[in-house]
Amino acid sequence: DQQVKQNSPSLSVQEGRISILNCDYTNSMFDYFLWYKKYPAEGPTFLISISSIKDKNEDGRFTVFLNKSAKHLSLHIVPSQPGDSAVYFCAASGGSGNTGKLIFGQGTTLQVKP
Amino acid sequence: EPEVTQTPSHQVTQMGQEVILRCVPISNHLYFYWYRQILGQKVEFLVSFYNNEISEKSEIFDDQFSVERPDGSNFTLKIRSTKLEDSAMYFCASRDLAGSSYNEQFFGPGTRLTVL
Repeated sequence: DQQVKQNSPSLSVQEGRISILNCDYTNSMFDYFLWYKKYPAEGPTFLISISSIKDKNEDGRFTVFLNKSAKHLSLHIVPSQPGDSAVYFCAASGGSGNTGKLIFGQGTTLQVKP
Repeated sequence: EPEVTQTPSHQVTQMGQEVILRCVPISNHLYFYWYRQILGQKVEFLVSFYNNEISEKSEIFDDQFSVERPDGSNFTLKIRSTKLEDSAMYFCASRDLAGSSYNEQFFGPGTRLTVL
């Protein structure tokens, strides 16, 4: 049941450039979306989120865009830094009886080259 | 900064044995979760826990699994009779219910469970 999909398993960008990570979802009941960053042997670390009533949320170098009609969101990192190299997970929550459970995508491995 | 902690970091067990994975959520959080990630796969929801009872569980969370909050600080996941396919990273998470960040879950570092 692939309700949240990240179709690019990996992405490589040059330091200083923009990184764009994409995520698609199928469940129109989702009303909250989050991005997590994960290093090996660590738990996911919350990065940024967006409510379905917004189409953009910005926090420093990180911006998340939500296109509800396309059921698509993206994470922009500008400028990218080598320390941003990690696995990035998109996650969604919502629906009736929402307990806040997160449905995760498969993850995209970002490599930022110096 | 408050954080979720988990013990042990790595647990090795024989198939059929019981294991208990422990978590200490962030102290003022009220919602607790377990997720797992099989190697190379996505992070999967197992169970959510609120007000001392399970509020939702996935198909993975069958009768072999149970959760408990034995005191005011710990949150445990028990697997009664482990199978080879239970080998995975298990993550505990917690969530506050107040403030603008109420949807955000904070994850522990995980316990790597290896079933032999």
